[in-house]
Amino acid sequence: TQLLEQSPQFLSIQEGENLTVYCNSSSVFSSLQWYRQEPGEGPVLLVTVVTGGEVKKLKRLTFQFGDARKDSSLHITAAQTGDTGLYLCAGAFRGSQGNLIFGKGTKLSVKP
Amino acid sequence: EAGVAQSPRYKIIEKRQSVAFWCNPISGHATLYWYQQILGQGPKLLIQFQNNGVVDDSQLPKDRFSAERLKGVDSTLKIQPAKLEDSAVYLCASSLLGYEQYFGPGTRLTVT
Repeated sequence: TQLLEQSPQFLSIQEGENLTVYCNSSSVFSSLQWYRQEPGEGPVLLVTVVTGGEVKKLKRLTFQFGDARKDSSLHITAAQTGDTGLYLCAGAFRGSQGNLIFGKGTKLSVKP
Repeated sequence: EAGVAQSPRYKIIEKRQSVAFWCNPISGHATLYWYQQILGQGPKLLIQFQNNGVVDDSQLPKDRFSAERLKGVDSTLKIQPAKLEDSAVYLCASSLLGYEQYFGPGTRLTVT
């Protein structure tokens, strides 16, 4: 059974601070995605990473895929209150037919 | 392009009653997913359709849950009879190719 572990589970910071959240698995991902979910809404896709060592940037968000494709990180620079939400990583594994396994998420609160 | 549509957005029922949720995926997306998201957890896949065929329903509690996608477009998910532990957000997602999934806003079910 493939499991994804996300850490930290909760994070409360002040506006302007930097933060990193992590996603780890004991299995190798064929691809990994990061989503952001706001209360009362469905998850919104932020990025997909496929290649080990890959780094993708989306404005102030930097996503990194581990060389062994078993872990990933999301770094936010100069957090804003609009970054508040639940950050979910979701992994697809070889042979999973497009099925994603989701982590429990990191609940981020950015205070003004 | 219109996103994934779901209805109703909220539903409150008593245990042992039945309930149905509706999903209309993004136009042209062949793959449709139903997820259950319990408070504090990441989404858990219930069933995956490719056009009108079931690809994976291994985590669907088939004694009480059923789903169909008769014409390969919209889909319904039914629970009969509902239990207290079915209280959750039910998310529908669709994808065109690969693993990038686009989610609807979800239906929040409360079973009392």
